[in-house]
Amino acid sequence: NAGVTQTPKFQVLKTGQSMTLQCAQDMNHNSMYWYRQDPGMGLRLIYYSASEGTTDKGEVPNGYNVSRLNKREFSLRLESAAPSQTSVYFCASSEPPLSSYRTDTQYFGPGTRLTVL
Amino acid sequence: AQKITQTQPGMFVQEKEAVTLDCTYDTSDPSYGLFWYKQPSSGEMIFLIYQGSYDQQNATEGRYSLNFQKARKSANLVISASQLGDSAMYFCAMRENTGNQFYFGTGTSLTVIP
Repeated sequence: NAGVTQTPKFQVLKTGQSMTLQCAQDMNHNSMYWYRQDPGMGLRLIYYSASEGTTDKGEVPNGYNVSRLNKREFSLRLESAAPSQTSVYFCASSEPPLSSYRTDTQYFGPGTRLTVL
Repeated sequence: AQKITQTQPGMFVQEKEAVTLDCTYDTSDPSYGLFWYKQPSSGEMIFLIYQGSYDQQNATEGRYSLNFQKARKSANLVISASQLGDSAMYFCAMRENTGNQFYFGTGTSLTVIP
């Protein structure tokens, strides 16, 4: 099992350019997430998908769109990149709990370091 | 209000000593999970340990244990016998059973001194 994979690992964009960050998981997880990590701010949720065919906004969705292509794949699109979107982006998926008394456990991809000039 | 609070931006510990990283949380949901993740300088987020709100005993995973004090809403991570490879950022997180989101603290940077 590869777990959660992300492409690309690094990307440099100019202001106004667009790009899509790809994420795939092979653990048969229902839920997937996109976070951004900025220095001193921890991880902030951009969007999540509780199951195939559904997506919801997180804490910082502005400037981003997502697509849950199928159960395995969850992509994040920047339509018009801005310097404020310079960050490290993490994709994650979560494993359903073993019982109703427990919660999901979340597993992360390796991250994409994005710089917008 | 912050869901997860980590009040120690940076911590130092001598190699082979134990260290406690603090985490407090805020929720009114009776069912929730608490997590700790390690982020080394290479950048990946590594799941360390999980504690469920209904678990009767504190979670342990090797040298990691979670000191869960439900009434105080704290979930401190204890690392025993610190190793140089433990130097990293550590994040506390929570997931409420009624929601779909995970909430993360701002992290604690741990440095292990030889």
